[in-house]
Amino acid sequence: AQSVAQPEDQVNVAEGNPLTVKCTYSVSGNPYLFWYVQYPNRGLQFLLKYITGDNLVKGSYGFEAEFNKSQTSFHLKKPSALVSDSALYFCAVRRLSGNTGKLIFGQGTTLQVKP
Amino acid sequence: DGGITQSPKYLFRKEGQNVTLSCEQNLNHDAMYWYRQDPGQGLRLIYYSQIVNDFQKGDIAEGYSVSREKKESFPLTVTSAQKNPTAFYLCASSRVDTPNYGYTFGSGTRLTVV
Repeated sequence: AQSVAQPEDQVNVAEGNPLTVKCTYSVSGNPYLFWYVQYPNRGLQFLLKYITGDNLVKGSYGFEAEFNKSQTSFHLKKPSALVSDSALYFCAVRRLSGNTGKLIFGQGTTLQVKP
Repeated sequence: DGGITQSPKYLFRKEGQNVTLSCEQNLNHDAMYWYRQDPGQGLRLIYYSQIVNDFQKGDIAEGYSVSREKKESFPLTVTSAQKNPTAFYLCASSRVDTPNYGYTFGSGTRLTVV
Protein backbone atom coordinates (compact mmCIF):
# COMPACT_ATOMS: atom_id res chain seq x y z
CA ALA A 1 0.00 0.00 0.00
CA GLN A 2 1.07 3.54 -0.64
CA SER A 3 1.79 5.84 2.28
CA VAL A 4 3.40 9.14 3.07
CA ALA A 5 4.86 10.20 6.41
CA GLN A 6 5.69 13.67 7.60
CA PRO A 7 7.38 12.92 10.91
CA GLU A 8 7.24 16.45 12.32
CA ASP A 9 3.95 18.12 13.23
CA GLN A 10 5.71 21.48 13.47
CA VAL A 11 9.03 22.94 12.39
CA ASN A 12 10.30 26.17 13.92
CA VAL A 13 13.03 28.20 12.27
CA ALA A 14 14.37 31.73 12.54
CA GLU A 15 14.02 34.06 9.59
CA GLY A 16 17.08 33.90 7.36
CA ASN A 17 18.02 30.38 8.44
CA PRO A 18 17.71 27.36 6.17
CA LEU A 19 14.61 25.22 6.57
CA THR A 20 13.83 21.56 5.95
CA VAL A 21 10.43 19.89 6.07
CA LYS A 22 10.74 16.12 6.00
CA CYS A 23 8.76 13.61 3.96
CA THR A 24 9.23 9.87 3.51
CA TYR A 25 7.13 7.63 1.32
CA SER A 26 6.31 4.01 0.70
CA VAL A 27 5.18 2.96 -2.76
CA SER A 28 5.89 0.11 -5.10
CA GLY A 29 7.31 1.14 -8.42
CA ASN A 30 8.35 4.63 -9.41
CA PRO A 31 6.89 7.36 -7.23
CA TYR A 32 5.48 10.66 -8.39
CA LEU A 33 6.01 13.11 -5.54
CA PHE A 34 4.47 16.50 -4.84
CA TRP A 35 4.65 19.30 -2.27
CA TYR A 36 1.78 21.66 -1.54
CA VAL A 37 1.44 24.67 0.76
CA GLN A 38 -1.69 25.84 2.54
CA TYR A 39 -2.13 29.29 4.04
CA PRO A 40 -4.87 29.82 6.67
CA ASN A 41 -8.39 29.46 5.33
CA ARG A 42 -7.16 28.79 1.82
CA GLY A 43 -6.89 25.82 -0.51
CA LEU A 44 -3.67 23.98 -1.18
CA GLN A 45 -1.24 25.50 -3.65
CA PHE A 46 1.22 23.45 -5.72
CA LEU A 47 4.90 24.06 -4.91
CA LEU A 48 6.86 21.48 -6.85
CA LYS A 49 6.95 17.91 -8.07
CA TYR A 50 9.35 15.09 -8.84
CA ILE A 51 8.54 12.87 -11.80
CA THR A 52 11.89 11.73 -13.12
CA GLY A 53 15.36 13.03 -13.84
CA ASP A 54 17.43 15.32 -11.62
CA ASN A 55 17.01 14.47 -7.94
CA LEU A 56 16.98 18.15 -6.96
CA VAL A 57 13.75 19.80 -7.97
CA LYS A 58 13.22 23.56 -7.86
CA GLY A 59 9.79 25.04 -7.33
CA SER A 60 7.86 28.16 -6.44
CA TYR A 61 8.87 30.83 -3.90
CA GLY A 62 12.50 29.64 -3.73
CA PHE A 63 11.65 26.18 -2.45
CA GLU A 64 13.41 23.05 -3.61
CA ALA A 65 13.17 19.36 -2.77
CA GLU A 66 15.62 16.50 -2.94
CA PHE A 67 14.49 13.06 -4.05
CA ASN A 68 16.45 10.26 -2.40
CA LYS A 69 15.45 6.85 -3.70
CA SER A 70 17.56 4.81 -1.29
CA GLN A 71 16.10 6.61 1.73
CA THR A 72 12.63 6.91 0.13
CA SER A 73 12.57 10.57 1.07
CA PHE A 74 11.55 13.83 -0.57
CA HIS A 75 12.46 16.60 1.86
CA LEU A 76 11.43 20.19 1.16
CA LYS A 77 14.13 22.81 1.63
CA LYS A 78 14.77 26.52 1.36
CA PRO A 79 18.16 28.19 1.90
CA SER A 80 16.80 31.25 3.71
CA ALA A 81 13.39 31.23 5.41
CA LEU A 82 10.98 34.16 5.35
CA VAL A 83 8.28 34.95 7.90
CA SER A 84 5.81 34.74 5.01
CA ASP A 85 6.78 31.07 4.52
CA SER A 86 4.86 30.25 7.71
CA ALA A 87 2.11 27.87 6.60
CA LEU A 88 1.01 24.23 6.54
CA TYR A 89 2.95 22.02 4.13
CA PHE A 90 1.76 18.73 2.64
CA CYS A 91 3.76 16.05 0.88
CA ALA A 92 1.91 13.70 -1.51
CA VAL A 93 2.75 10.59 -3.55
CA ARG A 94 1.11 8.93 -6.49
CA ARG A 95 1.72 5.46 -7.85
CA LEU A 96 0.99 4.77 -11.47
CA SER A 97 -1.61 2.02 -11.56
CA GLY A 98 -3.60 1.52 -14.71
CA ASN A 99 -5.05 4.96 -15.20
CA THR A 100 -3.81 7.68 -12.95
CA GLY A 101 -4.19 6.85 -9.29
CA LYS A 102 -5.14 9.17 -6.47
CA LEU A 103 -2.65 11.29 -4.57
CA ILE A 104 -1.92 10.09 -1.06
CA PHE A 105 -1.25 13.02 1.29
CA GLY A 106 0.84 13.18 4.42
CA GLN A 107 -0.61 14.63 7.60
CA GLY A 108 0.98 17.99 7.07
CA THR A 109 3.74 19.94 8.82
CA THR A 110 3.23 23.41 10.21
CA LEU A 111 6.19 25.67 9.46
CA GLN A 112 6.64 28.58 11.84
CA VAL A 113 9.25 31.16 10.83
CA LYS A 114 10.03 33.68 13.56
CA PRO A 115 11.51 37.12 12.94
CA ASP B 1 -8.48 31.98 -16.40
CA GLY B 2 -9.01 28.29 -15.70
CA GLY B 3 -9.62 27.26 -12.16
CA ILE B 4 -11.81 25.59 -9.58
CA THR B 5 -14.45 27.53 -7.69
CA GLN B 6 -16.04 26.59 -4.40
CA SER B 7 -19.05 28.34 -2.99
CA PRO B 8 -20.04 29.62 -0.59
CA LYS B 9 -16.88 30.51 1.31
CA TYR B 10 -18.71 30.32 4.65
CA LEU B 11 -21.82 28.27 5.39
CA PHE B 12 -23.87 27.88 8.54
CA ARG B 13 -26.09 24.89 9.15
CA LYS B 14 -28.71 24.28 11.75
CA GLU B 15 -28.98 20.92 13.44
CA GLY B 16 -30.90 18.46 11.27
CA GLN B 17 -30.48 20.38 8.01
CA ASN B 18 -28.95 19.18 4.78
CA VAL B 19 -26.62 21.62 3.05
CA THR B 20 -24.96 21.48 -0.35
CA LEU B 21 -21.48 22.76 -1.13
CA SER B 22 -20.75 23.74 -4.70
CA CYS B 23 -17.61 22.89 -6.67
CA GLU B 24 -17.16 23.94 -10.31
CA GLN B 25 -14.08 23.65 -12.52
CA ASN B 26 -13.31 24.88 -16.02
CA LEU B 27 -10.02 23.02 -16.40
CA ASN B 28 -11.53 20.16 -18.40
CA HIS B 29 -10.35 17.76 -15.70
CA ASP B 30 -11.97 14.34 -15.58
CA ALA B 31 -11.43 13.65 -11.89
CA MET B 32 -12.81 15.57 -8.94
CA TYR B 33 -12.39 15.06 -5.20
CA TRP B 34 -13.86 16.22 -1.89
CA TYR B 35 -11.75 16.44 1.27
CA ARG B 36 -12.55 17.35 4.83
CA GLN B 37 -10.01 19.19 6.98
CA ASP B 38 -10.38 19.66 10.72
CA PRO B 39 -8.35 22.30 12.63
CA GLY B 40 -4.65 21.54 12.51
CA GLN B 41 -5.35 18.26 10.76
CA GLY B 42 -4.55 16.70 7.43
CA LEU B 43 -6.91 15.95 4.56
CA ARG B 44 -9.45 13.16 4.70
CA LEU B 45 -11.03 11.97 1.45
CA ILE B 46 -14.83 11.98 1.41
CA TYR B 47 -15.74 11.09 -2.19
CA TYR B 48 -14.11 11.16 -5.57
CA SER B 49 -15.18 10.83 -9.18
CA GLN B 50 -13.07 10.01 -12.21
CA ILE B 51 -15.80 10.19 -14.82
CA VAL B 52 -19.24 11.68 -15.23
CA ASN B 53 -22.08 9.70 -13.62
CA ASP B 54 -19.67 7.67 -11.51
CA PHE B 55 -18.17 8.26 -8.08
CA GLN B 56 -16.58 6.28 -5.26
CA LYS B 57 -16.56 6.55 -1.49
CA GLY B 58 -13.44 7.76 0.19
CA ASP B 59 -12.34 7.17 3.76
CA ILE B 60 -15.13 9.11 5.52
CA ALA B 61 -18.19 8.99 3.22
CA GLU B 62 -20.80 8.37 5.91
CA GLY B 63 -23.20 11.29 6.25
CA TYR B 64 -22.24 12.77 2.87
CA SER B 65 -23.55 12.39 -0.66
CA VAL B 66 -22.38 13.59 -4.08
CA SER B 67 -23.45 13.67 -7.71
CA ARG B 68 -21.51 14.04 -10.96
CA GLU B 69 -24.02 14.88 -13.67
CA LYS B 70 -21.63 17.21 -15.51
CA LYS B 71 -17.90 17.08 -15.98
CA GLU B 72 -17.54 20.59 -14.58
CA SER B 73 -19.53 20.11 -11.39
CA PHE B 74 -19.22 17.91 -8.29
CA PRO B 75 -21.52 19.14 -5.51
CA LEU B 76 -21.27 17.72 -2.00
CA THR B 77 -24.30 17.40 0.27
CA VAL B 78 -23.71 17.23 3.99
CA THR B 79 -26.73 15.39 5.36
CA SER B 80 -28.27 15.45 8.81
CA ALA B 81 -26.72 12.02 9.34
CA GLN B 82 -23.29 13.64 9.59
CA LYS B 83 -23.03 14.18 13.32
CA ASN B 84 -20.05 16.49 13.40
CA PRO B 85 -20.02 18.45 10.14
CA THR B 86 -18.19 21.55 11.34
CA ALA B 87 -15.00 21.58 9.26
CA PHE B 88 -13.20 23.10 6.28
CA TYR B 89 -14.16 21.39 3.02
CA LEU B 90 -11.83 21.34 0.03
CA CYS B 91 -12.62 20.37 -3.53
CA ALA B 92 -9.92 19.38 -6.01
CA SER B 93 -9.67 18.27 -9.62
CA SER B 94 -7.08 16.52 -11.75
CA ARG B 95 -6.37 14.95 -15.10
CA VAL B 96 -6.50 11.18 -15.37
CA ASP B 97 -4.58 10.69 -18.62
CA THR B 98 -1.19 11.30 -17.06
CA PRO B 99 0.26 10.94 -13.55
CA ASN B 100 2.56 13.93 -14.06
CA TYR B 101 0.02 16.44 -12.85
CA GLY B 102 -1.10 16.93 -9.32
CA TYR B 103 -4.38 18.30 -8.06
CA THR B 104 -5.78 21.79 -8.43
CA PHE B 105 -7.60 22.86 -5.29
CA GLY B 106 -10.44 25.28 -4.70
CA SER B 107 -10.26 27.87 -1.94
CA GLY B 108 -12.50 25.90 0.40
CA THR B 109 -15.83 26.21 2.21
CA ARG B 110 -15.95 26.57 5.97
CA LEU B 111 -19.06 24.90 7.35
CA THR B 112 -20.24 25.64 10.87
CA VAL B 113 -23.15 24.07 12.73
CA VAL B 114 -25.11 26.62 14.74
